[in-house]
Amino acid sequence: DTGVSQDPRHKITKRGQNVTFRCDPISEHNRLYWYRQTLGQGPEFLTYFQNEAQLEKSRLLSDRFSAERPKGSFSTLEIQRTEQGDSAMYLCASSPRLAGEGEQYFGPGTRLTVT
Amino acid sequence: SQQGEEDPQALSIQEGENATMNCSYKTSINNLQWYRQNSGRGLVHLILIRSNEREKHSGRLRVTLDTSKKSSSLLITASRAADTASYFCATDATGGGADGLTFGKGTHLIIQP
Repeated sequence: DTGVSQDPRHKITKRGQNVTFRCDPISEHNRLYWYRQTLGQGPEFLTYFQNEAQLEKSRLLSDRFSAERPKGSFSTLEIQRTEQGDSAMYLCASSPRLAGEGEQYFGPGTRLTVT
Repeated sequence: SQQGEEDPQALSIQEGENATMNCSYKTSINNLQWYRQNSGRGLVHLILIRSNEREKHSGRLRVTLDTSKKSSSLLITASRAADTASYFCATDATGGGADGLTFGKGTHLIIQP
């Protein structure tokens, strides 16, 4: 399957712990996006990469959050010192075009529960 | 922050009926997209309409866009049980288009058999 994959699919962690999620985009897509979705809401944009460069960061991305995309392939999203408010679905999407030009292809998401 | 607001928040109809959901947004856009999300397949792109287009069709889907009112509608004709899902409108922002998409809160559609 050549779709966007995310790992893990589910993560339960205790408050204060660090967690890291991985996203593997569709191989020929140079643009990669991270979103967060809470229950009953639409996805909210977190950050965006074009190749290995992180070009955009939302105000939602506090200094406890860091994202990387080494070599412009897979990406990781790390949350340090997790808080209960971080509980959400974290979605990754990729696209060969700008957000304004075409669809984004979403992965299945990583559901984070902070206890 | 959420750019779009879908209306209604929830909609329940009988199989075979048409479903209409609306979206309003706040800023100028290059295009507007509709996505569907269900537990089985995650978030899937349905249709994109550009700011210079007024109407677009794709299979049983019809999308309209009124940029003067900053609103869009999605019509699903001859609904099926498999259409049960949440539907989101998503917009980019003008001025480069490098931002991520901004989604509304969604309409939860239930198709009764």
